[in-house]
Amino acid sequence: EDQVTQSPEALRLQEGESSSLNCSYTVSGLRGLFWYRQDPGKGPEFLFTLYSAGEEKEKERLKATLTKKESFLHITAPKPEDSATYLCAVLVMDSSYKLIFGSGTRLLVRP
Amino acid sequence: DTAVSQTPKYLVTQMGNDKSIKCEQNLGHDTMYWYKQDSKKFLKIMFSYNNKELIINETVPNRFSPKSPDKAHLNLHINSLELGDSAVYFCASSQDEGLAVYNEQFFGPGTRLTVL
Repeated sequence: EDQVTQSPEALRLQEGESSSLNCSYTVSGLRGLFWYRQDPGKGPEFLFTLYSAGEEKEKERLKATLTKKESFLHITAPKPEDSATYLCAVLVMDSSYKLIFGSGTRLLVRP
Repeated sequence: DTAVSQTPKYLVTQMGNDKSIKCEQNLGHDTMYWYKQDSKKFLKIMFSYNNKELIINETVPNRFSPKSPDKAHLNLHINSLELGDSAVYFCASSQDEGLAVYNEQFFGPGTRLTVL
């Protein structure tokens, strides 16, 4: 069964304390992996798409990487405004396309 | 300008009722989606519409029916509401360049449905 697991469930950081969020997956027919940010009471907001192992993408303090089994979202010198839930989703293809989301990592950055 | 909008934001109703949630996007996208986010924050795709045609229909009860009057609107109608339908429902849209499912999705603010 296709599965997407994110860890940790929750992460508390001090402002400036770099860390990484993990998204591991056991799927067949991976076509892409997405990272989204979700603020409380709002819909997810797109961050990155990664299509193949070894690919990396950066945006401000965020950097996403992809291997054959997992993806990392690295946060460098985070600020309080980076506090949010970060969701990853994998796009798989067997008989049809399926988009499977993980349950997210709740990040809290304290000033 | 709101890109993807949903109404209502909150919906509280009794079991057995029929209700609808409306979604509109002004991005000119051809593909729209409905998602359900449960209390554990899992986001699960329910439907996808491309140019008013259903292209994904995940295993949701047939009490749920998407209705698309035009490509800018995708409404979700729910019959005979049950307690387990309580969740936050998100509408989203994406460009149809290449294959829509590969493209980033723009989400609405969500509708919190509570069934009593």
